[in-house]
Amino acid sequence: GQQLNQSPQSMFIQEGEDVSMNCTSSSIFNTWLWYKQDPGEGPVLLIALYKAGELTSNGRLTAQFGITRKDSFLNISASIPSDVGIYFCAGPPYNQGGKLIFGQGTELSVKP
Amino acid sequence: SAVISQKPSRDICQRGTSLTIQCQVDSQVTMMFWYRQQPGQSLTLIATANQGSEATYESGFVIDKFPISRPNLTFSTLTVSNMSPEDSSIYLCSGSTSVETQYFGPGTRLLVL
Repeated sequence: GQQLNQSPQSMFIQEGEDVSMNCTSSSIFNTWLWYKQDPGEGPVLLIALYKAGELTSNGRLTAQFGITRKDSFLNISASIPSDVGIYFCAGPPYNQGGKLIFGQGTELSVKP
Repeated sequence: SAVISQKPSRDICQRGTSLTIQCQVDSQVTMMFWYRQQPGQSLTLIATANQGSEATYESGFVIDKFPISRPNLTFSTLTVSNMSPEDSSIYLCSGSTSVETQYFGPGTRLLVL
């Protein structure tokens, strides 16, 4: 079945640094979603991308839908301690009724 | 967006027993889903909860083990039956108002002893 490969698996950065993570697939996606999960909580939708080449921002977060439709990137600028958590990419496999598959997640740690 | 709540938020259960998890959405959603997230892992889809009919299960998950109900557009339940320690996990409910976008509940943390 389709899989999403997310990297890096974890990141340890200093407050104020920029962060970049990406997600790739062996097949085409028509939508890419980026979620953040805080400890003890469910995933929260950060950004949704619906068109190849699309670049969308949400505050300090910017995500891009790759031109090949097989990848997506999430960037966080000027990281702060509350950015700590696990970031997941997700997408709906083609013609499978709206369900999502998820990447393995990127665990972000920010040192003040 | 939709606001989703789950009950219970956490539970500790004895092996061989069953637990029913409730999911309530504050507005009508087109689709509802149940996921499992094992410690330190990503989310795995268990099934799509279909209103008024049997749920659609993913490979590796069966109705006898994870019976699901969805009596209306805002409510669903997942039962984890005949539990074993391997069922210890976070169970997450989600709802979607469009095909591609899903909103998640806070999860139910289950520990089976």
